[in-house]
Amino acid sequence: EADIYQTPRYLVIGTGKKITLECSQTMGHDKMYWYQQDPGMELHLIHYSYGVNSTEKGDLSSESTVSRIRTEHFPLTLESARPSHTSQYLCASSDRIRTGNTGELFFGEGSRLTVL
Amino acid sequence: AQKVTQAQTEISVVEKEDVTLDCVYETRDTTYYLFWYKQPPSGELVFLIRRNSFDEQNEISGRYSWNFQKSTSSFNFTITASQVVDSAVYFCAYAGGTSYGKLTFGQGTILTVHP
Repeated sequence: EADIYQTPRYLVIGTGKKITLECSQTMGHDKMYWYQQDPGMELHLIHYSYGVNSTEKGDLSSESTVSRIRTEHFPLTLESARPSHTSQYLCASSDRIRTGNTGELFFGEGSRLTVL
Repeated sequence: AQKVTQAQTEISVVEKEDVTLDCVYETRDTTYYLFWYKQPPSGELVFLIRRNSFDEQNEISGRYSWNFQKSTSSFNFTITASQVVDSAVYFCAYAGGTSYGKLTFGQGTILTVHP
């Protein structure tokens, strides 16, 4: 069972609010990822990190930002939420030592964001 | 660029039927990895299997089996004697050999198993 946690699970907010989605893992994994899942189910990588102080943008452009100050923590922030940000955000991690570059990811349960 | 296609958006079966979920991919990589993930209603993606590009041996795990064919760029997933608990969204995914864990997902297939 993976030990990766996301909070909040559900969030409904108004336009223009700043929000932070939290993601923490207790497995000591060096790599962490944020995927955005739209209502049509497709998942797209929006951010990833290969270690502390390392962050990169993913394949799908996103107005969100991330930080990686600690190995276990990879929060995602939206400075000014808009209805177009309504989506499910899934955090994941992987272990370079055990799984190398093979991409076996451990996912959190997701944060479902609704912006009114 | 890599692409993963799951042609079936939704499949509905009755319990105990066998069901096959199709997945085809496009790539120019010589080394790559293919995956299947399950997303139950709780939301998290659960890893089911990983195959690498140089191992075309099919795999069976209980009621699950996977058929990897490089010649047709396909990696199909079969559930034998389906059960209601198999109801979920299933994703096929791809990672290039140097992608360092960044996955490209298919569109997902919603599987509903009726009692």
